[in-house]
Amino acid sequence: QSALTQPASVSGSPGQSITISCTGTSSDVGGYNYVSWYQQHPGKAPKLMIYEVSNRPSGVSNRFSGSKSGNTASLTISGLQAEDEADYYCSSYTSSSTHVVFGGGTKLTVL
Amino acid sequence: QVQLVQSGAEVKKPGASVKVSCKASGYTFTSYGISWVRQAPGQGLEWMGWISAYNGNTNYAQKLQGRVTMTTDTSTSTAYMELRSLRSDDTAVYYCARFEERASCYDYWGQGTLVTVSS
Repeated sequence: QSALTQPASVSGSPGQSITISCTGTSSDVGGYNYVSWYQQHPGKAPKLMIYEVSNRPSGVSNRFSGSKSGNTASLTISGLQAEDEADYYCSSYTSSSTHVVFGGGTKLTVL
Repeated sequence: QVQLVQSGAEVKKPGASVKVSCKASGYTFTSYGISWVRQAPGQGLEWMGWISAYNGNTNYAQKLQGRVTMTTDTSTSTAYMELRSLRSDDTAVYYCARFEERASCYDYWGQGTLVTVSS
């Protein structure tokens, strides 16, 4: 069982917006602004898409945005494109000994 | 540009050990830690542990304590992950990732190494 809870799947049509949630506790998501999001296409390594809740690394499309409210962080993808179809994982700093925890992942399907 | 290049796929028998390498380039190796993350077939990401490339300090996942050892060779900018007493449920793709401590995130990842444990 993952430490952070994500929906198993979400879907949307091209051009639409979708939001993926990531729920933790006050010991991780709610306690620190160190939430990051990763995109993983089949057979590929994860790619950092968002760090520190809402910051995008250089080269990541501004269609990807992040936010947080309380113990839940969210990744929003606007103007969905076929290439956005992938698995998405959240992670957060945690006060536990591991320092970093992952969510279970969400499969995004572009209809 | 930053790159992490991992060693090739391995097939091991139950009870054996495996050692995966991760060669870094494009940055000052000792300025960042390296984490190892694995992904079983069809499953999510599992954090295995972290090593400081600066001083060799380590932090391992509790479930792997006693079976995993992470090391670095600063002369070659290479990180290693050894897993012993392999079981079938250790079959997974193993990734190394550079840990950006200031943001607590993994900004660069290796390409992954498939380790298959089968009799």
